[in-house]
Amino acid sequence: AQTVTQSQPEMSVQEAETVTLSCTYDTSESDYYLFWYKQPPSRQMILVIRQEAYKQQNATENRFSVNFQKAAKSFSLKISDSQLGDAAMYFCAYRSGLPGNKLVFGAGTILRVKS
Amino acid sequence: DTGVSQDPRHKITKRGQNVTFRCDPISEHNRLYWYRQTLGQGPEFLTYFQNEAQLEKSRLLSDRFSAERPKGSFSTLEIQRTEQGDSAMYLCASSVTGVSGNTIYFGEGSWLTVV
Repeated sequence: AQTVTQSQPEMSVQEAETVTLSCTYDTSESDYYLFWYKQPPSRQMILVIRQEAYKQQNATENRFSVNFQKAAKSFSLKISDSQLGDAAMYFCAYRSGLPGNKLVFGAGTILRVKS
Repeated sequence: DTGVSQDPRHKITKRGQNVTFRCDPISEHNRLYWYRQTLGQGPEFLTYFQNEAQLEKSRLLSDRFSAERPKGSFSTLEIQRTEQGDSAMYLCASSVTGVSGNTIYFGEGSWLTVV
């Protein structure tokens, strides 16, 4: 079974600075997808960024980018120019490329942004 | 906005009572997922449907839990004889097949407190 590990329970960043959230995963599959989801307090979980395992190029979405190291099974999220609105719980998630592809989540990292 | 909607958003019930949650997925999304999330943890997969067929159930889904999607549109998750350990947020999500790895969209969740 696939597992996702987020080793940082909590991170802090100063507004306008850059922060990196770590994620590692374990799988024997070659076809899969990786995601970062953001969950603000008492609010809906939304997708931040996704990465297809077959793509070598790291995904970017505005201030959000990933460092995908397939051999190391590592998938970190970098947030540049941090804003107060980035404060949330961030979940790393894995999804198999096989049919019936549910998400497997890590335990999450709380990100606090200091003004 | 026709995102994933869940009802009720909050439910307090006495131990031993039955509760039912409803989920309306995004229109035309044929896959529907149920997850459970406890405080400070990542969501855990419970079950998923493709159209009206329930294709996978987690071992977390004890015999007190039942989910249906009778017409392939909305879904219900019923918990019978609730226990305090059932207290959690129950998340519904939906996606559409056809593009492997496409995004899963989440609702705002239904909070259950068993007293």
